[in-house]
Amino acid sequence: EDKVVQSPLSLVVHEGDTVTLNCSYEVTNFRSLLWYKQEKKAPTFLFMLTSSGIEKKSGRLSSILDKKELSSILNITATQTGDSAIYLCAVGHISIQGAQKLVFGQGTRLTINP
Amino acid sequence: GAVVSQHPSWVICKSGTSVKIECRSLDFQATTMFWYRQFPKQSLMLMATSNEGSKATYEQGVEKDKFLINHASLTLSTLTVTSAHPEDSSFYICSASSSGHSTDTQYFGPGTRLTVL
Repeated sequence: EDKVVQSPLSLVVHEGDTVTLNCSYEVTNFRSLLWYKQEKKAPTFLFMLTSSGIEKKSGRLSSILDKKELSSILNITATQTGDSAIYLCAVGHISIQGAQKLVFGQGTRLTINP
Repeated sequence: GAVVSQHPSWVICKSGTSVKIECRSLDFQATTMFWYRQFPKQSLMLMATSNEGSKATYEQGVEKDKFLINHASLTLSTLTVTSAHPEDSSFYICSASSSGHSTDTQYFGPGTRLTVL
């Protein structure tokens, strides 16, 4: 069964701290790994990773994929209260039936305290 | 760019009624749209994949006669929850992709919160 597992499920830190969120996966025909940030409504896109070892960066956020370990991490440095959200990891793959779809992890709820 | 809208943003209905949710890509043509459901404190679960001009592909366990999907144009897909019951209460989110590949980024709509009394 295709699955995506994120850890930790919940994390509370102080403003200014650095956090690392983890995502591991087991899917057939892996194509890509995506990170999304979900606040009160629908997820907003952060990164898409397809190649191992190449870091993607956007401001204080960065992410990297390790296809050997079937995992990815999302780093946030100098956290701010506005970073508080649920961070979702999703893996794009081709299913056994040949369909193209995303499988989501359960999310990491990140809370940044001032 | 890549804006997806959903309407309505929330709806409350009586048990047994049908509810239609619209998903529109505002500034790009969406070859494929995806419908997800998210229960409280759970992640997004894919319900179905909708390609313009063809029948939707439903995930295992999702009743296609209950959740009717129509992708009539490259910018509009609709999900109709027929004869809704309280257990259908959930957050329904659509996403759109311009090429139809899940490796391409999916852009999400703001979601529709359905409450069935």
